[in-house]
Amino acid sequence: DQQVKQNSPSLSVQEGRISILNCDYTNSMFDYFLWYKKYPAEGPTFLISISSIKDKNEDGRFTVFLNKSAKHLSLHIVPSQPGDSAVYFCAAEGNSGTASKLTFGTGTRLQVTL
Amino acid sequence: DAGVTQSPTHLIKTRGQQVTLRCSPKSGHDTVSWYQQALGQGPQFIFQYYEEEERQRGNFPDRFSGHQFPNYSSELNVNALLLGDSALYLCASQKMDMNTEAFFGQGTRLTVV
Repeated sequence: DQQVKQNSPSLSVQEGRISILNCDYTNSMFDYFLWYKKYPAEGPTFLISISSIKDKNEDGRFTVFLNKSAKHLSLHIVPSQPGDSAVYFCAAEGNSGTASKLTFGTGTRLQVTL
Repeated sequence: DAGVTQSPTHLIKTRGQQVTLRCSPKSGHDTVSWYQQALGQGPQFIFQYYEEEERQRGNFPDRFSGHQFPNYSSELNVNALLLGDSALYLCASQKMDMNTEAFFGQGTRLTVV
């Protein structure tokens, strides 16, 4: 039972354009959501997060949007840069304010082309 | 400040053998979680250790066990290895009483032949 789903295995975007990565979840107990970026031969690196009490969080070129009623979140990267090429994982947590296990999606491979 | 460090980086084992993977958490972190990432999949939660005890456990058999030491470092042990245990094993650390992101190590690539 995949509680966090990333239905697009890959995405190709031109440099300078917007990249939009999508994620859906089924467990209504999730209340904290994170995006991680992973390069080959490296561990996942934290990118940005959002609490369920918010609907948007922005950090530089990265913005995460949360639609609780639709159980959907998205990551926007603008403008996209070649260095953004990596696998992006959406993760969810039912944290109760303390460290808790992360449930990950299967990832979306982003390719930013010149 | 060293982040999360894992050893070894790569390992090849034979079916039926046992393996131990090691993790040192980021400075200031007291909670360590282990994840298994199979090829083409997202990381799957194995278990979490806090105060030297297993606090949460994912859907993994008892062949997977762990330990946390007083200095917060951790080990993951897998007994009776199967071919299907071949994966990237990731360690993540956090501070228990703070709602902050988990920091991951670079992982240990385990190949079972």
